[in-house]
Amino acid sequence: QTVVTQEPSLTVSPGGTVTLTCASSTGAVTSGYYPNWFQQKPGQAPRALIYSTSNKHSWTPARFSGSLLGGKAALTLSGVQPEDEAEYYCLLYYGGARGVFGGGTKLTVL
Amino acid sequence: EVQLVQSGAEVKKPGESLKISCKGSGYSFTSYWIGWVRQMPGKGLEWMGIIYPGDSDTRYSPSFQGQVTISADKSISTAYLQWSSLKASDTAMYYCARHSGNTIDYWGQGTLVTVSS
Repeated sequence: QTVVTQEPSLTVSPGGTVTLTCASSTGAVTSGYYPNWFQQKPGQAPRALIYSTSNKHSWTPARFSGSLLGGKAALTLSGVQPEDEAEYYCLLYYGGARGVFGGGTKLTVL
Repeated sequence: EVQLVQSGAEVKKPGESLKISCKGSGYSFTSYWIGWVRQMPGKGLEWMGIIYPGDSDTRYSPSFQGQVTISADKSISTAYLQWSSLKASDTAMYYCARHSGNTIDYWGQGTLVTVSS
């Protein structure tokens, strides 16, 4: 059973920078896993932020960026805003277009 | 405007069957995969499976294979998720989502399924 691991929680100050990571139990995450990132606020459906490692959707704020870092997928928020407080999920794709979500990172802006 | 509109909340008893729906609009329904995602109360997202309405090609997560059935009716641009015999552990919010290649871009609003005796 493939497991995708994220930090359970992180805290960042308003205006600061924070990096969330996403690791695969199968080994290093590469662009071939097409990492996606999503934001979910309480009581809302998830919202797509990043696809294929580093590509932004038309609605994604510029302060969000995606990359590969040390064998993991990474989501960096620069100039964090209070409204960025949310749960963040990564999604990796494995063979046959099957996906696996990470457990989520609860980001607190304090 | 791309929209995925899901059917309303359901309250069912264990052992009952259920089929929930997700209607796509604003795009070519047969050209994109539609997937289903489970979120149990207070928990994270779980990828359940996807279907390509154009030819009904369906892929399941090993965790959900045999537990649910994903289908689609392209004539009415609607995808479905169904159970033949619900369990209390099926209580969750279920989201449909459009897949564009190896990307999820649009999400439905969610359908809350409650299974309780």
